[in-house]
Amino acid sequence: SQQGEEDPQALSIQEGENATMNCSYKTSINNLQWYRQNSGRGLVHLILIRSNEREKHSGRLRVTLDTSKKSSSLLITASRAADTASYFCATDNTNAGKSTFGDGTTLTVKP
Amino acid sequence: DAGVTQSPTHLIKTRGQQVTLRCSPKSGHDTVSWYQQALGQGPQFIFQYYEEEERQRGNFPDRFSGHQFPNYSSELNVNALLLGDSALYLCASSMGGQGYNEQFFGPGTRLTVL
Repeated sequence: SQQGEEDPQALSIQEGENATMNCSYKTSINNLQWYRQNSGRGLVHLILIRSNEREKHSGRLRVTLDTSKKSSSLLITASRAADTASYFCATDNTNAGKSTFGDGTTLTVKP
Repeated sequence: DAGVTQSPTHLIKTRGQQVTLRCSPKSGHDTVSWYQQALGQGPQFIFQYYEEEERQRGNFPDRFSGHQFPNYSSELNVNALLLGDSALYLCASSMGGQGYNEQFFGPGTRLTVL
């Protein structure tokens, strides 16, 4: 079974609104990463958050990590049509670079 | 600075054939991981190469094999292709042994098995 599970599976919002996606996982991790994928293309790395971190920001992105609840959230503020994509969380419980992905959240931002 | 590159972009094969996919890692990266992504699903880890050796392997049969060259580039080979092998194959590179797991992905190779 997948380590990470994103919620919701699909999200549709208007441009300018905020989008929040959640990720839950099952085992202890060293870090958690969020990726974006457009239309079956390669994954674009967004943010890596380590197990000893609680929150990270990058531009309009904010990621939180709650290791006690084994969950993470990705917030995209002031969304744009170009943010339309699938978003994946990936967890890693080693230092070897292997990542275990969920099945993603499909975000649609309507102009 | 070139990112991760993969070739070919698309590939069509028939059942039973063999295929080789290629990946060049991001400059400065020495670790290459391969993932299979079926339509509508997240990527599934196949294996990882570091220092020309397979370091980790996911739940894939022996039909899936790989290689890493001294320049850190890598190949993924799949023998006796099945219809279910149709997927997007993603290569990711990272720096091994430093505790950093940030992976950069290539654009993928779309394999269709008929």
